[in-house]
Amino acid sequence: DTEVTQTPKHLVMGMTNKKSLKCEQHMGHRAMYWYKQKAKKPPELMFVYSYEKLSINESVPSRFSPECPNSSLLNLHLHALQPEDSALYLCASSRPGQGGGYTFGSGTRLTVV
Amino acid sequence: GENVEQHPSTLSVQEGDSAVIKCTYSDSASNYFPWYKQELGKRPQLIIDIRSNVGEKKDQRIAVTLNKTAKHFSLHITETQPEDSAVYFCAFNQFYFGTGTSLTVIP
Repeated sequence: DTEVTQTPKHLVMGMTNKKSLKCEQHMGHRAMYWYKQKAKKPPELMFVYSYEKLSINESVPSRFSPECPNSSLLNLHLHALQPEDSALYLCASSRPGQGGGYTFGSGTRLTVV
Repeated sequence: GENVEQHPSTLSVQEGDSAVIKCTYSDSASNYFPWYKQELGKRPQLIIDIRSNVGEKKDQRIAVTLNKTAKHFSLHITETQPEDSAVYFCAFNQFYFGTGTSLTVIP
């Protein structure tokens, strides 16, 4: 399996809702990432997990809460989001450190209304 | 995040011509330099990468060159085809992406 699977593909949520984004990979990669991408912009790093431990949090607001239950799964819990949080949320995995490039999931397109 | 400058931001070439995109970085610590291609509405995909102990790497029509002294690395696409049209991102220090180059190949 050489893919990263993200669900759902699309999500519309209200500002008071709680939702979760899910990411799964079975490539044996021990580093997983969440990125946020706005239209016509590069992916912007949010969180890095290395060996299931949070190693980087790029000063992301607490309304975004990551979770890595095991080496294959990565979740992003969303609560009380703002309209400006609408974006494409990309999950990626790789070997840890500067070991290799990313395999990206196809993303969740999130709209906050 | 780290500082990565990518140029040009847009590039149009005739089919069959070459395209070159350059990224300049500020921190000498990185030893891994990947390039990603993102087609419209799709995920970024790794197309080529290079490590700091190598000056150039080729894979068919694409190549990457690294100049550690000058702190820049470049993507070279030869014999461009319409399907090369996409946004190309360099990445630096594993996590941080350049600002992107929108490449259009005109048939």
